[in-house]
Amino acid sequence: DTEVTQTPKHLVMGMTNKKSLKCEQHMGHRAMYWYKQKAKKPPELMFVYSYEKLSINESVPSRFSPECPNSSLLNLHLHALQPEDSALYLCASSSQPAGGGTEAFFGQGTRLTVV
Amino acid sequence: AQKVTQAQTEISVVEKEDVTLDCVYETRDTTYYLFWYKQPPSGELVFLIRRNSFDEQNEISGRYSWNFQKSTSSFNFTITASQVVDSAVYFCALSEMEYGNKLVFGAGTILRVKS
Repeated sequence: DTEVTQTPKHLVMGMTNKKSLKCEQHMGHRAMYWYKQKAKKPPELMFVYSYEKLSINESVPSRFSPECPNSSLLNLHLHALQPEDSALYLCASSSQPAGGGTEAFFGQGTRLTVV
Repeated sequence: AQKVTQAQTEISVVEKEDVTLDCVYETRDTTYYLFWYKQPPSGELVFLIRRNSFDEQNEISGRYSWNFQKSTSSFNFTITASQVVDSAVYFCALSEMEYGNKLVFGAGTILRVKS
């Protein structure tokens, strides 16, 4: 069983909706990540939080807004998305924030469909 | 720039066959980390192995083995006596010390093991 929990598992939203994806880990990890994975493609990094601070933003459009309320939780707020934003959104965590090359542990993802 | 190439898009084997998944990487950094992840249909990325650039020892874990060769910039993955449960997408990934824990994934190889 994964130790990174993502909710919801599936989400369908309209282009005018506001929704949030949630991620939780209780491994004491200090780095958390959001990845986006389109069908038949590899995951692509969106954001990295280190010690609850945003450390990497891979030029993600502002309609995606990350938030890290505490060391265990990571949210991704969605607003005014486009159909091309439909994808699997994966959350991950790792014990070392940067430079350590530590393995990341992934959740099962939220499969998002924008209609 | 980081780059990971998995030239095999899809491989089909019959149960009990051995199969090798290829991974070739490019990096200018002298300190880097290589990973293999498995993604079953459920969507979660499962960590399999991490290697740092200073450790060229091959590794065996049960039916899995990895061959890291810096001279050819390759980090290949072999499954011995494949099983149907091995069917998944396998990703090779690279992170460089300079970019912290940012993982750059290869395109992935779909492995289908038939009974």
